[in-house]
Amino acid sequence: NAGVTQTPKFQVLKTGQSMTLQCAQDMNHEYMSWYRQDPGMGLRLIHYSVGAGITDQGEVPNGYNVSRSTTEDFPLRLLSAAPSQTSVYFCASSYATGTPSNEQFFGPGTRLTVL
Amino acid sequence: AQSVAQPEDQVNVAEGNPLTVKCTYSVSGNPYLFWYVQYPNRGLQFLLKYITGDNLVKGSYGFEAEFNKSQTSFHLKKPSALVSDSALYFCAVNYGNMLTFGGGTRLMVKP
Repeated sequence: NAGVTQTPKFQVLKTGQSMTLQCAQDMNHEYMSWYRQDPGMGLRLIHYSVGAGITDQGEVPNGYNVSRSTTEDFPLRLLSAAPSQTSVYFCASSYATGTPSNEQFFGPGTRLTVL
Repeated sequence: AQSVAQPEDQVNVAEGNPLTVKCTYSVSGNPYLFWYVQYPNRGLQFLLKYITGDNLVKGSYGFEAEFNKSQTSFHLKKPSALVSDSALYFCAVNYGNMLTFGGGTRLMVKP
């Protein structure tokens, strides 16, 4: 199993540009999520999904959109990038939804810089 | 709303000495508590979790954590530190479908 994969690994955008961060998992996990990591602030939840067709907002959803058309994929879209979105983005997945005791599996991250 | 605090930005310990990384939490109801580790330029890796039962939880790489309900703490411990344990450690609490992380503690183990 490849686990959780993310593309690209690095990205530089100009303010106002749009892009999609890709995330895929091959473990048939129902739950998938996106976090951003900023120095001293740990990881903060952006959006999450409890299954195909179902998404919800996390702690810091503004400026980001998500969709979940398949179990495997959970892309994160930045519609109009801002310098405040410069961060490292992590995708994660876990087993059955509604079981908060399950640990999450994280991807390797995407380092995004917005100029 | 739940929250997690890691009061130390960095912990320094000599190789072979015991280590403790502190974590306190705030959540309504029963907490599901986790420790994750992040090595440079990598994603987070699961270390251990507390769900219920024994207050001392054992995890990967010789780490363990002690759950203390009265002090709302979940400190990470290891009896004998290795240089390879040097990394960024995150405590997290899961409530509902949302995982909330502390700010992280950098562990530096010196030879």
